[in-house]
Amino acid sequence: DTAVSQTPKYLVTQMGNDKSIKCEQNLGHDTMYWYKQDSKKFLKIMFSYNNKELIINETVPNRFSPKSPDKAHLNLHINSLELGDSAVYFCASSQSSEQFFGPGTRLTVL
Amino acid sequence: GENVGLHLPTLSVQEGDNSIINCAYSNSASDYFIWYKQESGKGPQFIIDIRSNMDKRQGQRVTVLLNKTVKHLSLQIAATQPGDSAVYFCAENNSGGGADGLTFGKGTHLIIQP
Repeated sequence: DTAVSQTPKYLVTQMGNDKSIKCEQNLGHDTMYWYKQDSKKFLKIMFSYNNKELIINETVPNRFSPKSPDKAHLNLHINSLELGDSAVYFCASSQSSEQFFGPGTRLTVL
Repeated sequence: GENVGLHLPTLSVQEGDNSIINCAYSNSASDYFIWYKQESGKGPQFIIDIRSNMDKRQGQRVTVLLNKTVKHLSLQIAATQPGDSAVYFCAENNSGGGADGLTFGKGTHLIIQP
């Protein structure tokens, strides 16, 4: 029944590692997003995908790369993890206006 | 740069009272505004939205007011309940709520006192 789901919920890893976070939506939405929420709760857009095309990329380092195997999935790959990447990452989807958010993935880089 | 911001980081309200959360934005091209509620350990949850051709919109116990002249947005919650305790974010974009991502404000932590 979950509209937007993410895995894993928690991810703890060492600096320099490569990791992925998966996102799936069962709402049939055309657009999916990734947001980053820092320790001060500030939410910032990272990427959005519409019909497998990247629409925006808000000055995110190229170590981050979204991958969309199909319209229902938008995965986030992160290479060479750094301490500053520690945050909560949220996936979201929308069809027109309202964006539906997933439960978040808390990434901790040691 | 242009951003969306909140006046009060923490707001404490007595249960049953009304609460008002304020938000200022600076992008005059913004035409779609939305309020989200985020409970601890969860993702943001939609509360109510408003387009720039309106100045007021009401939902169940919530009202959003938009003043485009002073670029100000507010969320009014009537008869607050313990379950209203959360962080509230205003957000905006300038594509009518389309494919662009939302620009979020800093968040206000609403605490409902029993």
